Amino acid sequence: DAKTTQPPSMDCAEGRAANLPCNHSTISGNEYVYWYRQIHSQGPQYIIHGLKNNETNEMASLIITEDRKSSTLILPHATLRDTAVYYCIVRLVGNKLVFGAGTILRVKS
Amino acid sequence: DTGVSQDPRHKITKRGQNVTFRCDPISEHNRLYWYRQTLGQGPEFLTYFQNEAQLEKSRLLSDRFSAERPKGSFSTLEIQRTEQGDSAMYLCASSLPPRLAGKRDTQYFGPGTRLTVL
Repeated sequence: DAKTTQPPSMDCAEGRAANLPCNHSTISGNEYVYWYRQIHSQGPQYIIHGLKNNETNEMASLIITEDRKSSTLILPHATLRDTAVYYCIVRLVGNKLVFGAGTILRVKS
Repeated sequence: DTGVSQDPRHKITKRGQNVTFRCDPISEHNRLYWYRQTLGQGPEFLTYFQNEAQLEKSRLLSDRFSAERPKGSFSTLEIQRTEQGDSAMYLCASSLPPRLAGKRDTQYFGPGTRLTVL
């Protein structure tokens, strides 16, 4: 079973920041938080991952709370092409990915 | 940039037929994973290989399913005597081994093969 809880859906206005929350209250000390997204009928796409510190790359930022029980994925300037299902996954290094239902993000103009 | 490729992209078959899918991973990745995704659900793990060795199989992988990776490069997933319940997207992913990946430890997915069993 997935070890994360995400809202089933969210809306965001185009050009605004999209903040996607994830709860992972049972995360263990050596498990990473991963985010993937899946645009309709495509394979999942890796976005970002982190252990304790906040992370940023060209796609997004990942904010992990100090107790590591929750995190937020931030897409700083959402576009229509960011409409997708976003999956938050906790994972040990080298392990398989266990996907939950994810959050459907709808970016609207 | 050569990513993970899968062939065919779509397959329609009749119940009871056998089907085979192929996955070509990113060239330097020695780990290869198969997942299955049904409509409205997240992907579910089926099996994974490190080089040619199949190291883990999910209970979802019934006796009718077999996966191979004979030379540690491409992999095939065969489904025998297909059933309508096998209709799904079959996804392949690859990754470096953790000791080499370091901070880049992540799986990269192909576009998937959509199977429809009539």
